[in-house]
Amino acid sequence: KAGVTQTPRYLIKTRGQQVTLSCSPISGHRSVSWYQQTPGQGLQFLFEYFSETQRNKGNFPGRFSGRQFSNSRSEMNVSTLELGDSALYLCASSRTDLTYNEQFFGPGTRLTVL
Amino acid sequence: AQKITQTQPGMFVQEKEAVTLDCTYDTSDQSYGLFWYKQPSSGEMIFLIYQGSYDEQNATEGRYSLNFQKARKSANLVISASQLGDSAMYFCAMRAGSARQLTFGSGTQLTVLP
Repeated sequence: KAGVTQTPRYLIKTRGQQVTLSCSPISGHRSVSWYQQTPGQGLQFLFEYFSETQRNKGNFPGRFSGRQFSNSRSEMNVSTLELGDSALYLCASSRTDLTYNEQFFGPGTRLTVL
Repeated sequence: AQKITQTQPGMFVQEKEAVTLDCTYDTSDQSYGLFWYKQPSSGEMIFLIYQGSYDEQNATEGRYSLNFQKARKSANLVISASQLGDSAMYFCAMRAGSARQLTFGSGTQLTVLP
């Protein structure tokens, strides 16, 4: 069974630009969550989608948005990039949104904002 | 609100010895799940082990076991017979009640010495 895939793996952007990251969950998984990892703030939850609906959102500005498609693939978008958006963005999928379901992570997209 | 505390920023262990990574948690929910992840320098988060709040037995997965002490709110990870490939950052995480996201600790950097 293929794992969670994320594209692209690396991105370099400049301030003010926008970026779209993509995540394909494990086949059969309907829940996709996004996390931002930085050395200073650690791992922070961005948002979670289940069956194309955003179920939960972390404490991030409106520049961060996302969506999920009918095949459970998800994208996140960051507009008007700031230097502080430089981070590893991790996507995780789980079969359902229940507490006991493990979340399996992809390799991440490393975004650098210059 | 949920909180995970990992008090060991870095740990060293000799190859083939056992090591315990500490994790304490705080939640007011009765139903929760505790997870451990391994993050090598490549960045991918690898799921290791899961313990549910209602599980009476400690979880085990190969060389990994979780020492779950509910009254103390601790969920320590024990790695037996350490290998050089175990060198990585280890994160304890929790998913509690109706919260859909994982709350992560700050991590422990484990180094296995030959």
